[in-house]
Amino acid sequence: GQQLNQSPQSMFIQEGEDVSMNCTSSSIFNTWLWYKQEPGEGPVLLIALYKAGELTSNGRLTAQFGITRKGSFLNISASIPSDVGIYFCAGQPWGAQKLVFGQGTRLTINP
Amino acid sequence: AAGVIQSPRHLIKEKRETATLKCYPIPRHDTVYWYQQGPGQDPQFLISFYEKMQSDKGSIPDRFSAQQFSDYHSELNMSSLELGDSALYFCASSLGGVPETQYFGPGTRLLVL
Repeated sequence: GQQLNQSPQSMFIQEGEDVSMNCTSSSIFNTWLWYKQEPGEGPVLLIALYKAGELTSNGRLTAQFGITRKGSFLNISASIPSDVGIYFCAGQPWGAQKLVFGQGTRLTINP
Repeated sequence: AAGVIQSPRHLIKEKRETATLKCYPIPRHDTVYWYQQGPGQDPQFLISFYEKMQSDKGSIPDRFSAQQFSDYHSELNMSSLELGDSALYFCASSLGGVPETQYFGPGTRLLVL
């Protein structure tokens, strides 16, 4: 079935650093989304991408939909303590309603 | 703004028992999705409903069933519970069957003993 490969699995950074995480697949996806999840809570939508090549920002977050429709990246600039959490990419396969999630990137920030 | 409501938030059951999880979508949303998330895992899609009809199906065990009611709330029924069913169960909702506007609830944590 469709799988998303998300990297890195974990990141340990200093407050104020920039962060970059990546998601790739061997299959084409119609839509790419990035979610953030905190312990015991549901995923919260950060950015949604609908068109190949699309670059979208949400505050300090920037994400791009790969031109081949097989990947996406998320950048976080000037990280702050509240950025701590697990970030998931998710893709909507062609012709399906479901979302397929990546394995997640656990972000830890040292003050 | 109103969010997705799930109940109960926590549930403890014995093996072979049954459980019913409820989901109340954001007002005016007509599509609900169920996901299962094991410890340290990513959410796995189970099933979805659009306008009360099943719209997509994932890796949902035959022991599980779900439905969407006329007021758009949904229930996930789980029978013959197994230890491996212990997980977080999320419901998400969207408007018009469009997954990219999918909003997640806080989840139900199910523990099977």
